[in-house]
Amino acid sequence: AQTVTQSQPEMSVQEAETVTLSCTYDTSENNYYLFWYKQPPSRQMILVIRQEAYKQQNATENRFSVNFQKAAKSFSLKISDSQLGDTAMYFCAFMKLGNNDMRFGAGTRLTVKP
Amino acid sequence: GAGVSQTPSNKVTEKGKYVELRCDPISGHTALYWYRQSLGQGPEFLIYFQGTGAADDSGLPNDRFFAVRPEGSVSTLKIQRTERGDSAVYLCASSWGTGNNEQFFGPGTRLTVL
Repeated sequence: AQTVTQSQPEMSVQEAETVTLSCTYDTSENNYYLFWYKQPPSRQMILVIRQEAYKQQNATENRFSVNFQKAAKSFSLKISDSQLGDTAMYFCAFMKLGNNDMRFGAGTRLTVKP
Repeated sequence: GAGVSQTPSNKVTEKGKYVELRCDPISGHTALYWYRQSLGQGPEFLIYFQGTGAADDSGLPNDRFFAVRPEGSVSTLKIQRTERGDSAVYLCASSWGTGNNEQFFGPGTRLTVL
């Protein structure tokens, strides 16, 4: 079974600063996908960034980037130039290739302070 | 609407009652997923539909839970003889296909069993 661990229940960052959220996972699979989702108070999960395990290059989406370390089974999210609208719960998720159920971590509550 | 919608937004019921939660996916999305999110946790996979059929229901916790998607669009999650432990946010997501296609989430239904 795959497990996803987010070791930081809460984090805070000053507006315009950079913050990194940690995620580790456990799997025996070689081909899989990793995701970071944002969940604001509205409850709607929004995909932030996605990484295919076969790609060595780290994914980036504007201010969001990941540090994917396959051997270490680590998948951290870096948010640059943090904005007040980034305040939300952030969930790391794993999905095996060919499968359809995502496994989520327990989440990290991020607060961006003005 | 353009996104996934779920009704009701909130549902309060008494222990032992029957409830139905509805999900309207994005038009044209063939895959539909149900997740359960307990307080302070990440979403937990329940069931996945490809078209009208349940392709994977391995996440349903017991036989009190059942879901249908008779016409391959709207889905209903049904919970019989509700228990207090069923209290959670029930999230629905849809995608164009399966595998790594992005899952678009609805805002969820918060179920409270008294």
